[in-house]
Amino acid sequence: KQEVTQIPAALSVPEGENLVLNCSFTDSAIYNLQWFRQDPGKGLTSLLLIQSSQREQTSGRLNASLDKSSGRSTLYIAASQPGDSATYLCASSGGSYIPTFGRGTSLIVHP
Amino acid sequence: EPEVTQTPSHQVTQMGQEVILRCVPISNHLYFYWYRQILGQKVEFLVSFYNNEISEKSEIFDDQFSVERPDGSNFTLKIRSTKLEDSAMYFCASSGPGGGLETQYFGPGTRLLVL
Repeated sequence: KQEVTQIPAALSVPEGENLVLNCSFTDSAIYNLQWFRQDPGKGLTSLLLIQSSQREQTSGRLNASLDKSSGRSTLYIAASQPGDSATYLCASSGGSYIPTFGRGTSLIVHP
Repeated sequence: EPEVTQTPSHQVTQMGQEVILRCVPISNHLYFYWYRQILGQKVEFLVSFYNNEISEKSEIFDDQFSVERPDGSNFTLKIRSTKLEDSAMYFCASSGPGGGLETQYFGPGTRLLVL
């Protein structure tokens, strides 16, 4: 059974810092890995989707990488802003295409 | 930009009552999903739906749960006899023709409280 772990659980940084969120998964036989953002009491917003054949995806200040062999993905946020404050979830999809979610990293970017 | 919508945003019900949560997926999407998130816990998959039938379901999705696409736009989750432990945020999601290979777009959720 796939297990997804996210480290750190919480992170507080000053505005402008570059930061890395980590996600690890136990079963490397995945089809894709998706990063989401969740604001308090809200739904999930998809940030980046990396297919198993890809190594990374970029969108604006966000870059996500995938290393299937080591069971890891990272989300890199450049020049963080207070508006980036949210919980970031990663989810890996395996044989049935059903995503397994991690608990998330709660990020606070203070001015 | 197209989005998934859900109604109601909040629902309070008594234990043992039936509830129906409603979702309108993105119009040209073919795959539909329900997830739940108990407060402070991970998002958990419940069920996926394609071509008018369930394609996958988790062990959470027992006989108390059912899904339906009653018309061309709505997708519903019914809980027949609610339990206290059904209290959670329920999210609907949809994706395009590639199903699980494509990005899933989530609705804002329905917060269900069972008393």
